[in-house]
Amino acid sequence: QKEVEQDPGPLSVPEGAIVSLNCTYSNSAFQYFMWYRQYSRKGPELLMYTYSSGNKEDGRFTAQVDKSSKYISLFIRDSQPSDSATYLCAMRPGGTGANNLFFGTGTRLTVIP
Amino acid sequence: NAGVTQTPKFQVLKTGQSMTLQCAQDMNHEYMSWYRQDPGMGLRLIHYSVGAGITDQGEVPNGYNVSRSTTEDFPLRLLSAAPSQTSVYFCASSRSRGPSGNTIYFGEGSWLTVV
Repeated sequence: QKEVEQDPGPLSVPEGAIVSLNCTYSNSAFQYFMWYRQYSRKGPELLMYTYSSGNKEDGRFTAQVDKSSKYISLFIRDSQPSDSATYLCAMRPGGTGANNLFFGTGTRLTVIP
Repeated sequence: NAGVTQTPKFQVLKTGQSMTLQCAQDMNHEYMSWYRQDPGMGLRLIHYSVGAGITDQGEVPNGYNVSRSTTEDFPLRLLSAAPSQTSVYFCASSRSRGPSGNTIYFGEGSWLTVV
């Protein structure tokens, strides 16, 4: 079993829809949770990170962490064609460095104009 | 505003050849890492470094070698290329620990094909 599971999609939604992207994990030591966006033939770029449980909002993006269920989500409101990309979740235990990062396989999202 | 720079962007190798993927960062980051990205496998850590002169293995180190003689540079060497090393390679850098250690900056990627 992988440490981090993510539905690869693909996911297609019409412009303006609310998008929900999710990951589950098995390691209860994970404390930092991140979402990366990766455009085709580019490197991943950090969207948001959350420490422990709770919600974090940044513009149209909201990240949620439910440690009791070992489940994290990224919501995109008013989705735009420019949001079309692959979204990667990542996480690591507290007290460790960036070398201890565990990635999901990514969900490919297409927003249709 | 270069960030993390990788070269080459594309490379085709024959089985058994060796080559070096170059990586440089201009942000004075302590951590540098090499990942490979394969379909259905996600990003997997090959090797990482926590500072000049210090390197360590990640999840999939076999067939690769690294060194870190300066803070800025972290080359990845393929010793004897195999078709299983066909992949997209990403170099990354970040601060060492704490919340800022979550902001990992990735390079643009190097597409490697071994025939």
